[in-house]
Amino acid sequence: DAKTTQPTSMDCAEGRAANLPCNHSTISGNEYVYWYRQIHSQGPQYIIHGLKNNETNEMASLIITEDRKSSTLILPHATLRDTAVYYCIVRTQGAQKLVFGQGTRLTINP
Amino acid sequence: NAGVTQTPKFQVLKTGQSMTLQCAQDMNHEYMSWYRQDPGMGLRLIHYSVGAGITDQGEVPNGYNVSRSTTEDFPLRLLSAAPSQTSVYFCASSRPAAANYGYTFGSGTRLTVV
Repeated sequence: DAKTTQPTSMDCAEGRAANLPCNHSTISGNEYVYWYRQIHSQGPQYIIHGLKNNETNEMASLIITEDRKSSTLILPHATLRDTAVYYCIVRTQGAQKLVFGQGTRLTINP
Repeated sequence: NAGVTQTPKFQVLKTGQSMTLQCAQDMNHEYMSWYRQDPGMGLRLIHYSVGAGITDQGEVPNGYNVSRSTTEDFPLRLLSAAPSQTSVYFCASSRPAAANYGYTFGSGTRLTVV
């Protein structure tokens, strides 16, 4: 699976959109981009995933560049409860493993 | 629908003791995995299973055994606990990857080996 690079930490004001970037320049054609988050010491929570097209669900939007070498997770109206570590993971469809990096520690400020 | 249930939530062991961390899911997921997370680190894969009777090793399998006799349960056994195994352990499950769903994680077992 391709390696991902994320900023170590980010801050965002409550009510604003939080944009979390991820670089995955070595991604191959059959690899998906997944996002998970871990709030405090809880188990990671699945947020969203995508292959080529932009995706949106009730939690977030995922924007993938045309060359697929980077992506951005968007939390449209961040709340204090969105404070967490966010992990960007690249995974081949059919692969059993999820390989976690260090993630981005997102802090939402009042 | 309870999701992924891990027991116990907390455990303290003495060096050399053995124990089993329990993981059960009620979603009929075929894929199950065990991860450990050390302080300030990401999760690392210990063992995983793609179905009943099938298991395989992940990144850090040494010191741990698993078995998968049913779809619902995937216990993790520590044969002889060592202080280096002090960590938070997470179990996760997923539908078959062909459906490309995300993983559901349990709330974790916090293990301290003294």
